Amino acid sequence: EAGVAQSPRYKIIEKRQSVAFWCNPISGHATLYWYQQILGQGPKLLIQFQNNGVVDDSQLPKDRFSAERLKGVDSTLKIQPAKLEDSAVYLCASSPIRRGSGSSYEQYFGPGTRLTVT
Amino acid sequence: RKEVEQDPGPFNVPEGATVAFNCTYSNSASQSFFWYRQDCRKEPKLLMSVYSSGNEDGRFTAQLNRASQYISLLIRDSKLSDSATYLCVVSGGATNKLIFGTGTLLAVQP
Repeated sequence: EAGVAQSPRYKIIEKRQSVAFWCNPISGHATLYWYQQILGQGPKLLIQFQNNGVVDDSQLPKDRFSAERLKGVDSTLKIQPAKLEDSAVYLCASSPIRRGSGSSYEQYFGPGTRLTVT
Repeated sequence: RKEVEQDPGPFNVPEGATVAFNCTYSNSASQSFFWYRQDCRKEPKLLMSVYSSGNEDGRFTAQLNRASQYISLLIRDSKLSDSATYLCVVSGGATNKLIFGTGTLLAVQP
């Protein structure tokens, strides 16, 4: 079974530029997540989609970050304009549709996109 | 206070040693608990879920104490291949989102 695919793997941009990341989840997985992992920290959830609807975007800096999952499959995450503190690894993950409360399916992570803002 | 707290380490141990990682969480309503493993410059991968009754998978044992809001992971007979960052993770709430700790770095020495 193919895993979560992400591209690009690495990106270097200057501050105030724009950047976009792409994610293709595991086939059949309804839930898709974007995380930001800053060096030395654990991943932090930015946004969660279930099919093409947003479930949680409470920690997404909406003044500069946007994400979409138009057809309930692939997703893109955009940063515009980028700041130095956006330097991080951006991880995409997917899981099957969530069961009832009190349980979670395993999340499968992609290899991530390492962003450096100079 | 962070939602999930871990000792960042690093823990430097010789092969064959037993090592224990601890984690505390702040939200008493958390419902699910996990340990993820992350190799250097790789993505996190699920190591094991953690249950109130405790659970074991080979050399790995996980424990949960809901009253103390405390999670632990014990690794027996450490191998070089166990060297990685171990992330404590809790989830709960309406969206069951995962909250990660900062991770504990383990380096097993030959």
